[in-house]
Amino acid sequence: DVKVTQSSRYLVKRTGEKVFLECVQDMDHENMFWYRQDPGLGLRLIYFSYDVKMKEKGDIPEGYSVSREKKERFSLILESASTNQTSMYLCASTRGPQETQYFGPGTRLLVL
Amino acid sequence: AQKITQTQPGMFVQEKEAVTLDCTYDTSDQSYGLFWYKQPSSGEMIFLIYQGSYDEQNATEGRYSLNFQKARKSANLVISASQLGDSAMYFCAMNTGFQKLVFGTGTRLLVSP
Repeated sequence: DVKVTQSSRYLVKRTGEKVFLECVQDMDHENMFWYRQDPGLGLRLIYFSYDVKMKEKGDIPEGYSVSREKKERFSLILESASTNQTSMYLCASTRGPQETQYFGPGTRLLVL
Repeated sequence: AQKITQTQPGMFVQEKEAVTLDCTYDTSDQSYGLFWYKQPSSGEMIFLIYQGSYDEQNATEGRYSLNFQKARKSANLVISASQLGDSAMYFCAMNTGFQKLVFGTGTRLLVSP
């Protein structure tokens, strides 16, 4: 079974803090994704990566950056957290084009 | 641009009955994939079923089936014999090209005893 893990289920941070969200997958998948989920808006893609050290912007990259130094790990970074980044963050991975994306359990981030 | 529309914000069904969750999509691509995910209150997105645009048969996975009508651009999820544990948010999604998934806004399903 595919396993995608995220470093925290719940996180509370203060405005202006630097925040790291970590995602690890154990299935040797090439592609990894970060989404945020907000009520009424569904899931929106922030960034994705199709190889180590490669990254592509998604639909809402502003205020975020990512890092992929190893194939199994994809990090989302909030350089200076703001209250409008309070959300549910979901990581996913997939083997290839039109393959199923498998999701981690999500991180609920609250920025005060 | 790709778009997924789920017009039912909420649905109610009694245990053991069947329920259909609607999904329509919009794309100009010929090759695409359609997915349904379940999200319980715990937050994890659970993959349920997949339909490829070139698949001639409707996909089926246990109690889940996908009613794929290509000409109408619809991909409705049918859950047969609903169970209390089916209460959750359900998302329809599509990918084209480079695997980017586009999600609908979801339908909340409540199953009553």
